[in-house]
Amino acid sequence: AQKVTQAQTEISVVEKEDVTLDCVYETRDTTYYLFWYKQPPSGELVFLIRRNSFDEQNEISGRYSWNFQKSTSSFNFTITASQVVDSAVYFCALSGGWAGGFKTIFGAGTRLFVKA
Amino acid sequence: SAVISQKPSRDICQRGTSLTIQCQVDSQVTMMFWYRQQPGQSLTLIATANQGSEATYESGFVIDKFPISRPNLTFSTLTVSNMSPEDSSIYLCSVLAGLDTGELFFGEGSRLTVL
Repeated sequence: AQKVTQAQTEISVVEKEDVTLDCVYETRDTTYYLFWYKQPPSGELVFLIRRNSFDEQNEISGRYSWNFQKSTSSFNFTITASQVVDSAVYFCALSGGWAGGFKTIFGAGTRLFVKA
Repeated sequence: SAVISQKPSRDICQRGTSLTIQCQVDSQVTMMFWYRQQPGQSLTLIATANQGSEATYESGFVIDKFPISRPNLTFSTLTVSNMSPEDSSIYLCSVLAGLDTGELFFGEGSRLTVL
C-alpha cells in the first residue's frame, strides 16, 4: 500500500527565515512519482515539483529546493528566505504512474504561516 | 497546461437532495479524477473517470452515492446523492497532465455546504 506522511501539521516562521517541510513516503512500486503541491488561501492547488523514482537529483528553483532521498524514502521541501506570500498549505503526493493507474495519494498537508 | 472549469463554484444544499458538479476541460484528456477535500483535511480520491468506461471508485466510495459520467474527453460530472452534512466538502476535478509526467492539474473546486 502507498502512504505519504507529513508529520508537521503547522509551521510558523518569521519572514526571511528558511523552512523545511518534511515528507516521508511508502510504496512497493519500483517506479513512482513524487510531487509537491501548494494550496494558498484561495484554495486552488498549484503544482510545484515532480520527481520520478529514478531521478534523485536535488532541484532548486528560485527560493525553493527539494531533497529526494530514496534511502530514507523522503522528499523534503525547503523554502529559503520565506515570504508572506508563501503562507499556504503544502501537500506532498505520491503516484504509482502507469502501473498504479496514475492514482495520486496526498499527505495530510503542512500549513505554513509566514509572519511579517 | 489544461484549464479546468468547475460548476458550481459553491452551493448550499439541503439534506437529502442531490447536486451535480460539472467539470469542463479546455483540451482533450485521457484520465480525470475526482477528489474530495473535507474541511481542513487532505485530498481523498473518490474515483477515476476515463472516457468510454465505467468510473473506478476507491474504497469507501460507491457509485450509488457518487455517480460519475464521462461522456467525452473534455467533460465529466460528479453527482453527490442524498446529501448529508457529512458531505460538506470541496470537490475537486483533476486531469492527468501527461502519461510521462503523472502530475495533475486541478480545477478550482466546488465547495458544498449541506444543511
